[in-house]
Amino acid sequence: DQQVKQNSPSLSVQEGRISILNCDYTNSMFDYFLWYKKYPAEGPTFLISISSIKDKNEDGRFTVFLNKSAKHLSLHIVPSQPGDSAVYFCAASAYDSWGKLQFGAGTQVVVTP
Amino acid sequence: DGGITQSPKYLFRKEGQNVTLSCEQNLNHDAMYWYRQDPGQGLRLIYYSQIVNDFQKGDIAEGYSVSREKKESFPLTVTSAQKNPTAFYLCASSSPGENTGELFFGEGSRLTVL
Repeated sequence: DQQVKQNSPSLSVQEGRISILNCDYTNSMFDYFLWYKKYPAEGPTFLISISSIKDKNEDGRFTVFLNKSAKHLSLHIVPSQPGDSAVYFCAASAYDSWGKLQFGAGTQVVVTP
Repeated sequence: DGGITQSPKYLFRKEGQNVTLSCEQNLNHDAMYWYRQDPGQGLRLIYYSQIVNDFQKGDIAEGYSVSREKKESFPLTVTSAQKNPTAFYLCASSSPGENTGELFFGEGSRLTVL
């Protein structure tokens, strides 16, 4: 039973435009959400996170939005750059399961010139 | 520089053989994890250890075993009981004191069963 879902397996966006990646979750106990970026044959690297007490967190070109009532979060990348082409994983954890992240299936982002 | 080292990067195994994947970290992290990634799926937790000499099963522990004799090391053995072992295996670590839930990952080991 997948508790974190990324329903778009791929996304193609033009360089300079906005990339919007979506993530839904089912477990209401989740209180911390993270986005990871992964290149082929490498381990994921942490990108940005948000606590359930916030609804927005921004770090440079990356912004994560959290809608708790809808159990939905999104990652915005503005402007998109060719180096952003990677797989993006959404992950979530609950306070009593700290460190045990539940991951979505990932979204492959391709940024075209 | 600090990080997580996984070896080997690529490994081939015949059916029926056990294989051990190495994971070493010099980040002084207490917690270590093993995840598995399959095509089109997210990372799934195999085993985790929050402290030396202690570890717990994750969501898909069957057919795997681990040990945590040293803080720096968390090897994973894929046994012949694992029905579908071909996958990309990722080791990670974290520090409870940082209270962010952020995991630091190694570069992964790709296991192929022939």
